[in-house]
Amino acid sequence: DGVMTQSPLSLPVTLGQPASISCRSSQSLVYSDGNTYLNWFQQRPGQSPRRLIYKVSNRDSGVPDRFSGSGSGTDFTLNISRVETEDVGVYYCMQGTHWPRTFGQGTKLEIK
Amino acid sequence: EVQLLESGGGLVQPGGSLRLSCAASGFTFSSYAMIWVRQAPGKGLEWVSTINSGDVTYYAGSVKGRFTISRDTSKNTLYLQMNSLRAEDTAVYYCARTHQLDYWGQGTQVTVSS
Repeated sequence: DGVMTQSPLSLPVTLGQPASISCRSSQSLVYSDGNTYLNWFQQRPGQSPRRLIYKVSNRDSGVPDRFSGSGSGTDFTLNISRVETEDVGVYYCMQGTHWPRTFGQGTKLEIK
Repeated sequence: EVQLLESGGGLVQPGGSLRLSCAASGFTFSSYAMIWVRQAPGKGLEWVSTINSGDVTYYAGSVKGRFTISRDTSKNTLYLQMNSLRAEDTAVYYCARTHQLDYWGQGTQVTVSS
């Protein structure tokens, strides 16, 4: 099975400062149709997960533009340009290219 | 508005069975793949199963042979039949839409314990 490795697992950030989360796959996530199915999810405390980014860099409707995704092949990054209080939670990457689908371990973002 | 509402969770003894439901609304249910994801207490997300729009099914190795995903398009409802339950199946179970999980339900708690 493909392994998704996130780092860091804990991310204390000062309000207004940027944050970055890395996600590495053990195999290329480029599908036969040419798309790369790497998604990012946010789970706020006590809530269901919510998708933020799909296919590496496409922001979902309603997601603030301070969130951005980048990367290719096996290495991907979620960036938050200026962290706000509402960004506290756990962030997961997930690959939708190979079976079985796999998630990263999660990165817990907290305010310093 | 897309809505997904899970139900059917509860407390069950090891070896027992449970059927989860996910009522879908706000979209053409039969046209979309549907997914079950679970989250054990204090742990991360784990993909459980997918049923695509052609009713082809996929399972995580940890549940293959014990869980069955299905859908009833006349009721716009997704199901997860869980048999031979184990303590390690204890989790919140979420349903989600599409292969890329664009919408999620609120989850239903399953506890396997004697």
